[in-house]
Amino acid sequence: EVQLVESGGGLVKPGGSLRLSCAASGFTFSTYSMNWVRQAPGKGLEWVSSISSSSTYIYYADSLRGRFTISKDNAKNSLFLQMNSLRAEDTAVYYCSRGPDIVATKYYFDYWGQGSLVTVSS
Amino acid sequence: QSVLTQPPSVSGAPGQRVTISCTGSSSNIGADCDVHWYQQVAGTAPKLLIFGYKNRPSGVPDRFSGSKSGTSASLAITGLQAEDEADYYCLSYDSRLRGWVFGGGTKVTVL
Repeated sequence: EVQLVESGGGLVKPGGSLRLSCAASGFTFSTYSMNWVRQAPGKGLEWVSSISSSSTYIYYADSLRGRFTISKDNAKNSLFLQMNSLRAEDTAVYYCSRGPDIVATKYYFDYWGQGSLVTVSS
Repeated sequence: QSVLTQPPSVSGAPGQRVTISCTGSSSNIGADCDVHWYQQVAGTAPKLLIFGYKNRPSGVPDRFSGSKSGTSASLAITGLQAEDEADYYCLSYDSRLRGWVFGGGTKVTVL
């Protein structure tokens, strides 16, 4: 059974940093691309970042590029999101998700974790 | 404001058919970028319903179907059931934004 378990969320002050982790199990992690998607309270889904199976290709939403960094450790079956210079508008549930090999026009996210809440507030 | 436009809400009685539209443009759906659909029941993570316009992952009932026409895609739910009450999102790639975009979401209410 595919399982994705996020951790690392919490309360952080504006300007602070946080690192999210996603522990994967139930599939061959090294052969799948991975993603982060967020959802602000009461709002819709927003794609954040994607990384290919071997970390060769990395993509970010334009609005986040430069502040967020995605990484993947295939030896530890783990996905990470380093978030710097956090703002109130980054407050959201952050979901880890899996995807097949990235072919941009066909790519989708098949399995999702339960999410980790990040709250940016003073 | 998403580049993929969905109606905020649709409703139907049990057993009825409802459709949800996802209207895009020449930089996403119209550029032959695939559309995928997700169901999110309140308080839970999104679940993949349809990928590649019309394909259902195993375990998804055939009451859910997807289609595409021009710069729009649609999700149809036939034989509406109480458990279908949820938010539904479309997803596609946008070549102008160089990233993946979700529609704003549609809340389905079973009357």
